[in-house]
Amino acid sequence: NAGVTQTPKFQVLKTGQSMTLQCAQDMNHEYMSWYRQDPGMGLRLIHYSVGAGITDQGEVPNGYNVSRSTTEDFPLRLLSAAPSQTSVYFCASRSTGENIQYFGAGTRLSVL
Amino acid sequence: KQEVTQIPAALSVPEGENLVLNCSFTDSAIYNLQWFRQDPGKGLTSLLLIQSSQREQTSGRLNASLDKSSGRSTLYIAASQPGDSATYLCAVRGGNYGQNFVFGPGTRLSVLP
Repeated sequence: NAGVTQTPKFQVLKTGQSMTLQCAQDMNHEYMSWYRQDPGMGLRLIHYSVGAGITDQGEVPNGYNVSRSTTEDFPLRLLSAAPSQTSVYFCASRSTGENIQYFGAGTRLSVL
Repeated sequence: KQEVTQIPAALSVPEGENLVLNCSFTDSAIYNLQWFRQDPGKGLTSLLLIQSSQREQTSGRLNASLDKSSGRSTLYIAASQPGDSATYLCAVRGGNYGQNFVFGPGTRLSVLP
């Protein structure tokens, strides 16, 4: 069972570079979301999607873009990386009929 | 705005002790509350989920309670083991965040052999 798969696991960027964090789930979940986790803080919601073609902003959306062209994939794009975006990023999914969220293993991003 | 806090931030206990982790939230209009475990360098694993209409949930040595009116939840771990060492996070869904979860900062637990 693959569950929620995130790639890459680690990434180092220079300020101003762009990149896409990939997230895929094979559970046919409608709801997907992206969080960032910083030391001493809980996970903070960046963007979320309730289904293909539908996305919305979370608590900390600035500097990030998302799209949801398929049910399975929910990529997160950093258009111009900044040191403040150094963090661990988690993707999660759940069925709208369920309450339990399933998390990926995370992407550890450093922006120099 | 929903805010979630967890006390203590870190806890170290000898093996075999029973322990309680605390979670507080400011908006009592929640849909449910979920406790997660996070091992170093790993993602989150769901431990227990309590619906707003429930008072507690149990799974093995874990028991989670919910007092919605006071905005509190506790996670009780019986007969702790070194394998329980991890960070425990609580998250609430509902209130101003609707269908999204708001997370606490976590409690880092170390169980010493």
